[in-house]
Amino acid sequence: NAGVTQTPKFQVLKTGQSMTLQCAQDMNHEYMSWYRQDPGMGLRLIHYSVGAGITDQGEVPNGYNVSRSTTEDFPLRLLSAAPSQTSVYFCASSTAGRTNYTFGSGTRLTVV
Amino acid sequence: AQTVTQSQPEMSVQEAETVTLSCTYDTSESDYYLFWYKQPPSRQMILVIRQEAYKQQNATENRFSVNFQKAAKSFSLKISDSQLGDAAMYFCAYRSTGTASKLTFGTGTRLQVTL
Repeated sequence: NAGVTQTPKFQVLKTGQSMTLQCAQDMNHEYMSWYRQDPGMGLRLIHYSVGAGITDQGEVPNGYNVSRSTTEDFPLRLLSAAPSQTSVYFCASSTAGRTNYTFGSGTRLTVV
Repeated sequence: AQTVTQSQPEMSVQEAETVTLSCTYDTSESDYYLFWYKQPPSRQMILVIRQEAYKQQNATENRFSVNFQKAAKSFSLKISDSQLGDAAMYFCAYRSTGTASKLTFGTGTRLQVTL
């Protein structure tokens, strides 16, 4: 099925560990982005990409790293996990016009 | 920076009744897009309705309609004939039309639907 695939769906990390959240889309969308969702704060943009090889920071980029080597994939790396990064993470993609976004099913990350 | 405000953290509606969720936004742009997303307990983000600011006509999708007041920077969502499956978090979101623009979300309204 066409769409945005996020893995894993759940993850528990220890403080200081690193990990990569995977995001893949098969709709040939140019635009991809990562959000985090925290209670009472809605979704906040972490990083985004307007095409392969191009990435930029969003509202809350600290502690996260991204790369976009292909159109399909946009992984999010946590370099040294902290309890403040406990959240639900969403990947979203859209065409260049960005009038219709497709979201992945989210990753619930807990850092202990 | 653009901001989106949803002043109702929680709302409740009886089945078959009508409910309106509020959203206001702050922008100096004249052309932009506004969205309502639904997030049920499954966590999936589902587009409910989209409005383009240059279109004066309010968008409608079946039981869902918006009241778009551009001068007041208001974008409320009306759900008619509420159903149990409408229970969810609802997020209002804004995006300007610039190439560097980003999708900005409000903090959400949790809607309960009672029998």
